[in-house]
Amino acid sequence: GIQVEQSPPDLILQEGANSTLRCNFSDSVNNLQWFHQNPWGQLINLFYIPSGTKQNGRLSATTVATERYSLLYISSSQTTDSGVYFCAVKRVDSGTYKYIFGTGTRLKVLA
Amino acid sequence: KAGVTQTPRYLIKTRGQQVTLSCSPISGHRSVSWYQQTPGQGLQFLFEYFSETQRNKGNFPGRFSGRQFSNSRSEMNVSTLELGDSALYLCASSPRQSIYNEQFFGPGTRLTVL
Repeated sequence: GIQVEQSPPDLILQEGANSTLRCNFSDSVNNLQWFHQNPWGQLINLFYIPSGTKQNGRLSATTVATERYSLLYISSSQTTDSGVYFCAVKRVDSGTYKYIFGTGTRLKVLA
Repeated sequence: KAGVTQTPRYLIKTRGQQVTLSCSPISGHRSVSWYQQTPGQGLQFLFEYFSETQRNKGNFPGRFSGRQFSNSRSEMNVSTLELGDSALYLCASSPRQSIYNEQFFGPGTRLTVL
């Protein structure tokens, strides 16, 4: 089945630094989302981005579907950006949908 | 518009018991999906309901079941609880059953099995 891997697994930044998180997937996908999981477990939608580039404030994302990867950029990081970032993909497989979450990147931003 | 709500937020059960978790989707959303999150296995898809019918199912044993009501609210049930069922259970809603839909998640129910 499709594999979704994220890198790096852990990241520590000083406040104000920039970072790039990567999501690689092993097969074509129809849908891709990025989420931020806060310390209480809530998954917060960041981007719905099956292809192309989007920006929302200090965050932006790019998906290159033909090369099977997506990138999440965080600029001028803040302590509130800490948490775990997940990418999640959907694809049609044997007449049904498969929903696969990546392994996650744990980000800690230091004041 | 109110977000996805899940009840209860925390639950403690003992092995062998059964448990029912509830999820109310965003108003107007008709598709509800359930996920299990554990430290060892990460986030795994359980099942999806649309129009009161299970449309997709992940690789979980039959002890895990669910249903959806006519108002799109959904419940999931786990019977004969095992220690390994301790997890954060997340519910997500989307407007309809489509591979292109964006999913929105609730706060989760944290289940501890003793």
